[in-house]
Amino acid sequence: GAVVSQHPSWVICKSGTSVKIECRSLDFQATTMFWYRQFPKQSLMLMATSNEGSKATYEQGVEKDKFLINHASLTLSTLTVTSAHPEDSSFYICSARVGFEETQYFGPGTRLLVL
Amino acid sequence: AQSVTQLGSHVSVSEGALVLLRCNYSSSVPPYLFWYVQYPNQGLQLLLKYTSAATLVKGINGFEAEFKKSETSFHLTKPSAHMSDAAEYFCAVAGTGRRALTFGSGTRLQVQP
Repeated sequence: GAVVSQHPSWVICKSGTSVKIECRSLDFQATTMFWYRQFPKQSLMLMATSNEGSKATYEQGVEKDKFLINHASLTLSTLTVTSAHPEDSSFYICSARVGFEETQYFGPGTRLLVL
Repeated sequence: AQSVTQLGSHVSVSEGALVLLRCNYSSSVPPYLFWYVQYPNQGLQLLLKYTSAATLVKGINGFEAEFKKSETSFHLTKPSAHMSDAAEYFCAVAGTGRRALTFGSGTRLQVQP
């Protein structure tokens, strides 16, 4: 149980294009999903917290107009990197929380490479 | 505010030896503490968690961790390392009321044959 999927697992795109990453909770309803970013050999940095049906809460320093988050249902959240640039290349990981538990279950991650 | 410090970015042990990965936390509220493991190019897998119940927590793959409030520590241990334990390990804290996790910088565990 508590499986989270991400799609795509990796993506290569040209600078200036937009990329959408999907995060799905497969066997539970996730009231809250989180988006993290991880640079090589570094820890995870929280980008934003997403609650179903409401606007995402972004961490300080994260551009909300660049990283668009939509949490349209209890099983799906999407992260769209708009007008991607090479510095946006990173490993993006989502997680989902079950009800009011503190435990987060993580997706397998999406590696983005912007050329 | 909360934070996590993992001492030692790299730990190397021999197969069969004791594994000890250190984690110290800072939290203004009673913390929930977690250990996650990450294999290359994969997401994070939950090893174990402390949520104010028993201070000695047993997790998957033979790992366990002990919550010590007086030392603000939550060190991860395994009596006997296996080659498959080689991975990156992250300690994380979540304060009640704040749903997001704060991660430590990670410890890369190498297991030598």
